[in-house]
Amino acid sequence: QSALTQPASVSGSPGQSITISCTGTSSDVGSDNYVSWYQQHPGKAPKLIIYDVSNRPSGVSNRFSGSKSGNTASLTISGLQAEDEADYYCFSYTDTSTLEGVFGGGTKLTVL
Amino acid sequence: QVQVVESGGGVVQPGRSLRLSCEPSGFTFRNYAMHWVRQAPGKGLEWVAVISYHGSNKYYADSVKGRFTIARDNSKNTLYLQMISLGPEDTAVYYCARDAAAAGMRGFDPWGQGTLVTVSS
Repeated sequence: QSALTQPASVSGSPGQSITISCTGTSSDVGSDNYVSWYQQHPGKAPKLIIYDVSNRPSGVSNRFSGSKSGNTASLTISGLQAEDEADYYCFSYTDTSTLEGVFGGGTKLTVL
Repeated sequence: QVQVVESGGGVVQPGRSLRLSCEPSGFTFRNYAMHWVRQAPGKGLEWVAVISYHGSNKYYADSVKGRFTIARDNSKNTLYLQMISLGPEDTAVYYCARDAAAAGMRGFDPWGQGTLVTVSS
């Protein structure tokens, strides 16, 4: 149950786009299309922003998009806004029949 | 409004036990698997445990296996996390989260506000 690998930090200026990677193995990220992403502002609970690799829940801005290639999933935020400054975590099931899973280490996004 | 609310956190001495609770509202609890996730101060999220919608199947992270027990009472609409032999490494905010697969989303939604467990003498 090793954590998925994310960059510790990324930054971008308002209006720009950034991408956060999430690297696992063929046993988790690479095994199915059930990667999800979470946004967490300081002192707040995490919020689901992407599920099933690339789908957005109702109410989540279309500036957030997800993709996957092999054992690496990615979250892209376009048109950066100050409110996007937060921590972002990926999650992958390690067994979709049991629903066990593992989170990435988290990425701190700074909007310059 | 779909939500979950945790309770039961507090300060506990090393080696002691504590039970957390999570109460859902706005959805049919018995239809969903449920998870516990924790976050140590200043650290990232750690998946802790999951229980199937009927309660028969339970799985744990290696870090808590044998010490934590996840349980649910669908008649009382409540999820639990029984923690024994607590150590300083268990100090964290504990979140309850619904596995939203039955709602068509493979992800955790919603999350509660969390309950803080501090293990200290």
